[in-house]
Amino acid sequence: DTGVSQNPRHKITKRGQNVTFRCDPISEHNRLYWYRQTLGQGPEFLTYFQNEAQLEKSRLLSDRFSAERPKGSFSTLEIQRTEQGDSAMYLCASSLAGTGGMFGPGTRLTVT
Amino acid sequence: QQQVKQSPQSLIVQKGGISIINCAYENTAFDYFPWYQQFPGKGPALLIAIRPDVSEKKEGRFTISFNKSAKQFSLHIMDSQPGDSATYFCAAPAGTASKLTFGTGTRLQVTL
Repeated sequence: DTGVSQNPRHKITKRGQNVTFRCDPISEHNRLYWYRQTLGQGPEFLTYFQNEAQLEKSRLLSDRFSAERPKGSFSTLEIQRTEQGDSAMYLCASSLAGTGGMFGPGTRLTVT
Repeated sequence: QQQVKQSPQSLIVQKGGISIINCAYENTAFDYFPWYQQFPGKGPALLIAIRPDVSEKKEGRFTISFNKSAKQFSLHIMDSQPGDSATYFCAAPAGTASKLTFGTGTRLQVTL
């Protein structure tokens, strides 16, 4: 296992288009998190899965955002009708209960 | 909502010197305090973490000092090297999901 992987690494899209990102966590980790990071800031929590159940969503996650984790393995984050304000680095992290999250390399989204 | 205040915002240290970054948190009901290191264009990497039942943890050149009564913890980098130049984030878990609230980051530059 080489760690948390994310695809794509970069995405450029036009405003109004839909985008989907994928995260493959460390296989034995039951917890999966999505964060968003803008330039010069720390990551901000978006949503959390324990196995396949989405247990918490941030108020930052508007109705245009949806996340899934089918079968408790990989996860996808979809943004519909993208806006320029969605431009950011989207980070995925996975962990076992009681330990710190291991982050993936992130997907940098640019909305033009 | 957990708040985490980090200082300084930026730090310049000479090679071989000691880098010290401080964090203060509000909510006491947590049991895990990690530090992350992030290089440009990469995801945060877990550097070192501490549980509040100990006052200090050392791993190589990196030491966390924890003051539970003051709700503060700090990162000390001994014998700082140019390769340590990165942005460092402290974090505190928030809520039962153990999602992390991050500090605003400290940009460390180690000069020759």
